[in-house]
Amino acid sequence: KQEVTQIPAALSVPEGENLVLNCSFTDSAIYNLQWFRQDPGKGLTSLLLIQSSQREQTSGRLNASLDKSSGRSTLYIAASQPGDSATYLCAVKRNTGKLIFGQGTTLQVKP
Amino acid sequence: ETGVTQTPRHLVMGMTNKKSLKCEQHLGHNAMYWYKQSAKKPLELMFVYSLEERVENNSVPSRFSPECPNSSHLFLHLHTLQPEDSALYLCASSQGVGGEVGEQFFGPGTRLTVL
Repeated sequence: KQEVTQIPAALSVPEGENLVLNCSFTDSAIYNLQWFRQDPGKGLTSLLLIQSSQREQTSGRLNASLDKSSGRSTLYIAASQPGDSATYLCAVKRNTGKLIFGQGTTLQVKP
Repeated sequence: ETGVTQTPRHLVMGMTNKKSLKCEQHLGHNAMYWYKQSAKKPLELMFVYSLEERVENNSVPSRFSPECPNSSHLFLHLHTLQPEDSALYLCASSQGVGGEVGEQFFGPGTRLTVL
C-alpha cells in the first residue's frame, strides 16, 4: 500500500530564507509526482509535476526534485516571501491514475 | 481561475437533511473526482468517474451518493450524514483514463458542516 509522508508538518521561517520541504513515498512504482499549494479553506493549485522518468522541474523560485529509487522528493523554495505562506501538498500518481496525498507541510513566512 | 467550479462554497446541514454538492468543469476533461479533506488528514479519494462511468469507489458510506450526468458535471448527494462527515469536499477533473490520466485540476471546494 502506497503511503506518502511529508516532513515537517509545519515550518516557520523569516522572509528571504531558502527552504526545503520533504516528501517520501513507500512504493517507487509511481507514474508521476505532483506538488500542490493550498491556501486556507481553498482548493489546490498545482505547482510542479515531475514525470517518473524526470529528476527535477523548475518554475520561477520553485524547484522540485524526484529520486524514485529512494522514494523521495523535495520542493525547494528560494528567497521565500510572505505570500508563499500556505500548505504544500505532495501527491504521487499510480498507474491507475489515482493520486495518493501526503498530509502536507504548513509554511509560514514572516515579514 | 482553475476552470473547475463548485457550489455551494459553504453548507451547514442537520443530520436528517438531504443536500447536494455540485461541480462543473469547463476544461473539456473526461474524468472527474470527489475528494474529502478532513482536518489533519490527507486528502482521501472518494469517487472517480471516467467517461461518465464510475470507475472507483473507495469504500465510501452509502450516505454519499455520486452522480455524473455528463462529462462536465458531477454531483455528490448527501443524506443522513454524521458530524464526522464535516470536511472540505474537493472536486477535480482531468483528461485521459487509467495510466494516461493527465494532471488533475481542482475546484475551490465546499466546506460542509454537519450539526
